[in-house]
Amino acid sequence: EAQVTQNPRYLITVTGKKLTVTCSQNMNHEYMSWYRQDPGLGLRQIYYSMNVEVTDKGDVPEGYKVSRKEKRNFPLILESPSPNQTSLYFCASSYPGGTIYFGEGSWLTVV
Amino acid sequence: DAKTTQPPSMDCAEGRAANLPCNHSTISGNEYVYWYRQIHSQGPQYIIHGLKNNETNEMASLIITEDRKSSTLILPHATLRDTAVYYCIVRVLTTSGTYKYIFGTGTRLKVLA
Repeated sequence: EAQVTQNPRYLITVTGKKLTVTCSQNMNHEYMSWYRQDPGLGLRQIYYSMNVEVTDKGDVPEGYKVSRKEKRNFPLILESPSPNQTSLYFCASSYPGGTIYFGEGSWLTVV
Repeated sequence: DAKTTQPPSMDCAEGRAANLPCNHSTISGNEYVYWYRQIHSQGPQYIIHGLKNNETNEMASLIITEDRKSSTLILPHATLRDTAVYYCIVRVLTTSGTYKYIFGTGTRLKVLA
């Protein structure tokens, strides 16, 4: 079954404690991306990757890092989380220009 | 960048057609329009996409105006399970040769029994 899998699905953490949200897809997609969703703001793109070792900033990259060492994985790293990064995060993947498949989301709360 | 504008909310009676509009007046000739929906806070689900011609699949129809400045998603016989937030998205090709998907803020469709 085609899947985009995110972990953890729910996390409460403290300000400044580094965390990583993993994302994995089983469709051999080149394109992967991360979005955050906040009330009234829809989905905003954080980072995206066109292929292994190729990443680029989206609209709201501040405070986040990503890496793409393997085609199937695209982790989102918060080096020093802050409360304004409390949000619902989605990972997505697709063939270039193709239909996007989204993960089920990760609820992150930073206190 | 292209931008999409959608009404924030709409109601539709169960069994009737739901027509969800989207304005994308700044779209370029090679930029696709996609529609997704999100039920509660689940991951958005693909519905349909198109470039110039009208499209239909088992879920919906997409009508794109000739000048491509707007489109309408049609759910022909809305059911209660179609209650969701519907996003109109423009896929753009950036100057660096990558694709970027620009989301609007969506329309919250409520299907009424």
